[in-house]
Amino acid sequence: EPEVTQTPSHQVTQMGQEVILRCVPISNHLYFYWYRQILGQKVEFLVSFYNNEISEKSEIFDDQFSVERPDGSNFTLKIRSTKLEDSAMYFCASRRVDEQYFGPGTRLTVT
Amino acid sequence: RKEVEQDPGPFNVPEGATVAFNCTYSNSASQSFFWYRQDCRKEPKLLMSVYSSGNEDGRFTAQLNRASQYISLLIRDSKLSDSATYLCVVPPYSGAGSYQLTFGKGTKLSVIP
Repeated sequence: EPEVTQTPSHQVTQMGQEVILRCVPISNHLYFYWYRQILGQKVEFLVSFYNNEISEKSEIFDDQFSVERPDGSNFTLKIRSTKLEDSAMYFCASRRVDEQYFGPGTRLTVT
Repeated sequence: RKEVEQDPGPFNVPEGATVAFNCTYSNSASQSFFWYRQDCRKEPKLLMSVYSSGNEDGRFTAQLNRASQYISLLIRDSKLSDSATYLCVVPPYSGAGSYQLTFGKGTKLSVIP
């Protein structure tokens, strides 16, 4: 069964550093998403991406964040200058029609 | 009224029990409804989709009541492996568009031996 994959599974970085989180969505899916979940809190929407452009973003997704689909398979989330409060699980998701499928997540720890 | 409301639980039930979770939603125009489960520190996993009045998959039954704007999830013959947080998700609209999912904190289920 096809699934969304994410790398790395865990990323530790220092405050102020740039990080890139990578995702490979399910191959015939057209819509891509990033969500995050701070420990103990609910899953929060960050951004949606369709047809090579952002279709919607939340208030969390400020100028420090960017997304890219550099080729036909990868979908990346970049955080330019990480803050302590960016520490969270970051989930990538994709969908073809209605159902969204999530990747296993990247645990980002900012020290 | 919040977009989606669920009883946070926790629900502690013995193995073999039947347990039901309810979820109310505010947007009467919503067409698609989903139940996800999330294990501790794992990703949300799609459990069931509900498009019409209900859906059944083995021990799991989801029912939709559009008039009252609630959906329910029934788990029969609970297993230890059913212990997780169950998330009711109601996207703002269906078809084209962003279709981002809004999650609540969900309902925590613990199945006890």
